[in-house]
Amino acid sequence: AQSVTQLGSHVSVSEGALVLLRCNYSSSVPPYLFWYVQYPNQGLQLLLKYTSAATLVKGINGFEAEFKKSETSFHLTKPSAHMSDAAEYFCAVRRGINKFYFGSGTKLNVKP
Amino acid sequence: GAVVSQHPSWVICKSGTSVKIECRSLDFQATTMFWYRQFPKQSLMLMATSNEGSKATYEQGVEKDKFLINHASLTLSTLTVTSAHPEDSSFYICSAREGTGSGETQYFGPGTRLLVL
Repeated sequence: AQSVTQLGSHVSVSEGALVLLRCNYSSSVPPYLFWYVQYPNQGLQLLLKYTSAATLVKGINGFEAEFKKSETSFHLTKPSAHMSDAAEYFCAVRRGINKFYFGSGTKLNVKP
Repeated sequence: GAVVSQHPSWVICKSGTSVKIECRSLDFQATTMFWYRQFPKQSLMLMATSNEGSKATYEQGVEKDKFLINHASLTLSTLTVTSAHPEDSSFYICSAREGTGSGETQYFGPGTRLLVL
């Protein structure tokens, strides 16, 4: 079965600090991987996606994620956190045509 | 990125009534749309896959007679919650698929918050 695990339901960083949100997937073959961000009372916005073209994927708002097959990971990073980055982040994996499996989400808090 | 809209953004209804939620892809055609629900502090759970011109495919445990899905055009899918009850209160989010193969991406609507009294 396809699953996605996000370690840490809450992450708190200071403004300007490194952001690291963890995502591990379980799959026998490299899947398509996505990171989405959700602001309060809103839908999900695509940050970036991995489709096997390059292991380091750059997304919007300065975020990037690196696909590491040996670790089955797709962690999301940003060098310097902004207050506006405070939101909930979801890692998702797509297998087949229709199936998107979402992680449980990580709520990012940015302290001034 | 592509834009997906939902209407209404929130709705309050009485128990026993039916509620229709619309999902539209504004700048692309989507042969496939998806409906999710999200409970507070939880992740998204896929309810069903909506295919233009054919019947929707429901996930296990989702009542197809309660959650009616219609995908009448390439830009519109509707979810009707029939005879709504308080336990149906949730955040409903749709998404539309753009592209194929490795380029495929799902774009999500802003969600509809349903409160059943």
